[in-house]
Amino acid sequence: EIVLTQSPGTLSLSPGERATLSCRASQSVSSNYLAWHQQKPGQAPRLLIYGASSRATGIPDRFSGSGSGTDFTLTISRLEPEDFAVYYCQQFGGSLWTFGQGTKVEIK
Amino acid sequence: QVQLVESGGGVVQPGRSLRLSCAASGFTFSAFGMHWVRQAPGKGLEWVAVIWYDESKKYYADSVKGRFTISRDTSKNTLYLQMNSLRAEDAAVYYCGRDYNFYMDVWGKGTTVTVSS
Repeated sequence: EIVLTQSPGTLSLSPGERATLSCRASQSVSSNYLAWHQQKPGQAPRLLIYGASSRATGIPDRFSGSGSGTDFTLTISRLEPEDFAVYYCQQFGGSLWTFGQGTKVEIK
Repeated sequence: QVQLVESGGGVVQPGRSLRLSCAASGFTFSAFGMHWVRQAPGKGLEWVAVIWYDESKKYYADSVKGRFTISRDTSKNTLYLQMNSLRAEDAAVYYCGRDYNFYMDVWGKGTTVTVSS
């Protein structure tokens, strides 16, 4: 089973700042099978990024994804008030899907 | 619009069974694989099970293998999760999700399962 480790656990930033979230895999992940999801309190998750770097429908271009192999990054270029949430990376491999433990982006 | 609506959650005693449903609308249900993902209180997301669009394959997380069964009824546009031998650690919000190229592109709002005596 591929384990995804996200860092940091919590990111404290102010609106307008840049957020950089990391997702590291225990073994190589195909970029095609790496996604990022956003979850706000009391809500269902929402797909942000798929294929490591493609934005899902309706996702603003301040969200971007990058990386390959075992290291992936989600970047939010300028934080808007609605971006404060928990972010999960997710991968598929070996007939199993796994999620990272999440990074909480909170208002500083 | 594309929509997934879960139901069937509730309070159940340890060792008992429960069946969750996920009603799909706004898309061709028979063309997509479907997932169940759960989230224990205050915890992160945990993938539970997937079923292929044609039911040809089903995969489970080790934590539920042998106890949970995923199924679908295309005539009713509905996904199911039969949960047997429930344990305290199965308590969670259960989400269904549509599979698109091995990621979840649409999520339901979830249904809550509480396991308590």
